[in-house]
Amino acid sequence: EAQVTQNPRYLITVTGKKLTVTCSQNMNHEYMSWYRQDPGLGLRQIYYSMNVEVTDKGDVPEGYKVSRKEKRNFPLILESPSPNQTSLYFCASSSLAGGRYNEQFFGPGTRLTVL
Amino acid sequence: GIQVEQSPPDLILQEGANSTLRCNFSDSVNNLQWFHQNPWGQLINLFYIPSGTKQNGRLSATTVATERYSLLYISSSQTTDSGVYFCAVVNSGLDGYQKVTFGTGTKLQVIP
Repeated sequence: EAQVTQNPRYLITVTGKKLTVTCSQNMNHEYMSWYRQDPGLGLRQIYYSMNVEVTDKGDVPEGYKVSRKEKRNFPLILESPSPNQTSLYFCASSSLAGGRYNEQFFGPGTRLTVL
Repeated sequence: GIQVEQSPPDLILQEGANSTLRCNFSDSVNNLQWFHQNPWGQLINLFYIPSGTKQNGRLSATTVATERYSLLYISSSQTTDSGVYFCAVVNSGLDGYQKVTFGTGTKLQVIP
């Protein structure tokens, strides 16, 4: 089954404790992206990647890191989480066939709480 | 950057009623998608529709790219249609990169 998976689905942590949220897709998509969703602010893009070893900042990259060492994986790293990073996080992927974004597929979401 | 506005922001329907949700965008776009976020938070793909009209069961969508809007039609609504509906557009930014922007969402509640 074609899908985007994220782990963990739920996480409660404390300020300053480094964490990683994993994202994996099995559709051989070139493009992958991370979003956060907050009440009243909608979905905002954190980072995206056009292919292996190619990443760039989205609208709200501060406090986050990403890497793209393999085509299927795009982990999101919070080196020193703070309470303002409490949010619902989504990973997404799409193909870049024809040099343009095609349909995006989203993972199930990770609900993060930073105390 | 591009502005993406959805209307109405909130909508309450009696089960069985029809509705039209609108997505307006302020600049030309390369593609457009509609999503349904269910009460459990999952984002479900409804339509990938850069232009034209598509139908899937009780749902259909139309994008008129030249006039910068898209419409999502829900017919014979059911309680399972409740949730938030988002449109998301992709356009080329000033730096040439293609950027994804989500709309503000329409929160739909279908009551029995």
